[in-house]
Amino acid sequence: AQTVTQSQPEMSVQEAETVTLSCTYDTSESDYYLFWYKQPPSRQMILVIRQEAYKQQNATENRFSVNFQKAAKSFSLKISDSQLGDAAMYFCAYRSYSTSGTYKYIFGTGTRLKVLA
Amino acid sequence: AAGVIQSPRHLIKEKRETATLKCYPIPRHDTVYWYQQGPGQDPQFLISFYEKMQSDKGSIPDRFSAQQFSDYHSELNMSSLELGDSALYFCASSLLKREGSGTGELFFGEGSRLTVL
Repeated sequence: AQTVTQSQPEMSVQEAETVTLSCTYDTSESDYYLFWYKQPPSRQMILVIRQEAYKQQNATENRFSVNFQKAAKSFSLKISDSQLGDAAMYFCAYRSYSTSGTYKYIFGTGTRLKVLA
Repeated sequence: AAGVIQSPRHLIKEKRETATLKCYPIPRHDTVYWYQQGPGQDPQFLISFYEKMQSDKGSIPDRFSAQQFSDYHSELNMSSLELGDSALYFCASSLLKREGSGTGELFFGEGSRLTVL
């Protein structure tokens, strides 16, 4: 079964600095999606960035980028020029095929990011 | 753009009562997922539907049931409520088809917060 591991329960970063959140996953599939979701204090789940496994190029969205290492099954999120609004819980998620013919989304346990002024 | 709509946003019930949560997915989305998130926890998958048919079941208690209706809205019914059912319940929708506008991600509603006293 697929698993997603986030080994950093909590991280801190100074405003304007860069921080990297780690995520590893276990799978035997070759085609899949990976995601980072942000959950601010409002508890709304917001998509930060997605990566399709067949694409070798790392995804970027403004200040957010990923380091996708398919062979190592690693999918880290880099936040550049951190802002106070980036403070949130960040969940790494994996989308896998389900035997029902649809998909299942598996979430890691989350990393709480604190941004220090 | 239309988002996933959940109601009610907040719900307070007594133990052993029944609660019903509603979810209206993004128009044209064909898949609906229900998640339960306890305080400080990652989202736990409960159940999903594809084209109004149940597709997968996760850690959904037998006291809970769900269905998707002809207009694609979904309802999560919870009976014999227990204190441990207090949580944030998310509904999310997705477009299964990869062609065209399918982006692979889950789009979340704002959640329904259930408090059981």
